[in-house]
Amino acid sequence: KAGVTQTPRYLIKTRGQQVTLSCSPISGHRSVSWYQQTPGQGLQFLFEYFSETQRNKGNFPGRFSGRQFSNSRSEMNVSTLELGDSALYLCASSSGQHQETQYFGPGTRLLVL
Amino acid sequence: GQQVMQIPQYQHVQEGEDFTTYCNSSTTLSNIQWYKQRPGGHPVFLIQLVKSGEVKKQKRLTFQFGEAKKNSSLHITATQTTDVGTYFCAAPLNSGGSNYKLTFGKGTLLTVNP
Repeated sequence: KAGVTQTPRYLIKTRGQQVTLSCSPISGHRSVSWYQQTPGQGLQFLFEYFSETQRNKGNFPGRFSGRQFSNSRSEMNVSTLELGDSALYLCASSSGQHQETQYFGPGTRLLVL
Repeated sequence: GQQVMQIPQYQHVQEGEDFTTYCNSSTTLSNIQWYKQRPGGHPVFLIQLVKSGEVKKQKRLTFQFGEAKKNSSLHITATQTTDVGTYFCAAPLNSGGSNYKLTFGKGTLLTVNP
């Protein structure tokens, strides 16, 4: 099976712009979770989508949003970018059962100037 | 909200020394998972523990799940430079109603001096 893919891998934006990141889960997986990772901050949970519905949400401002399509592919959007949004954005897919392990993609490294 | 506490945050060892990282929860866990993230990489699943008192080994890595299913540890014997990275524990925690969310500890960054 192909692994989790994320596009783009690297991105440079300026403050105030918006960005859309894409994640394709492992075939058959219905859950996609998004995380923000910055040095020293661990994995900060953004949200989880399951069957096109947001199932869990982290403590991020409304500038961060996401969606999931019927083929389980997911996108996350960040509007009005701030310097502090510079981070590695990881998505992870799982079958959708709560106990299941997550399989991470390589991440999108976003730099906001 | 519920959390999984992981210590230490950092650990620097000489090659050949042992290393241990610990995870604790205030609630009983259905399972606990361990992930490793190499520098510049993404987290990769290592193992899942489900049973009370369970011990699993992967070569030099030993994983334990506490009897009360509230804590877990990862022990590496005779570390090598290839063990460098951040080790995360993760457990499904109730996020409201019948919803559960896989919740990660903050990770332990292991560096190894050759």
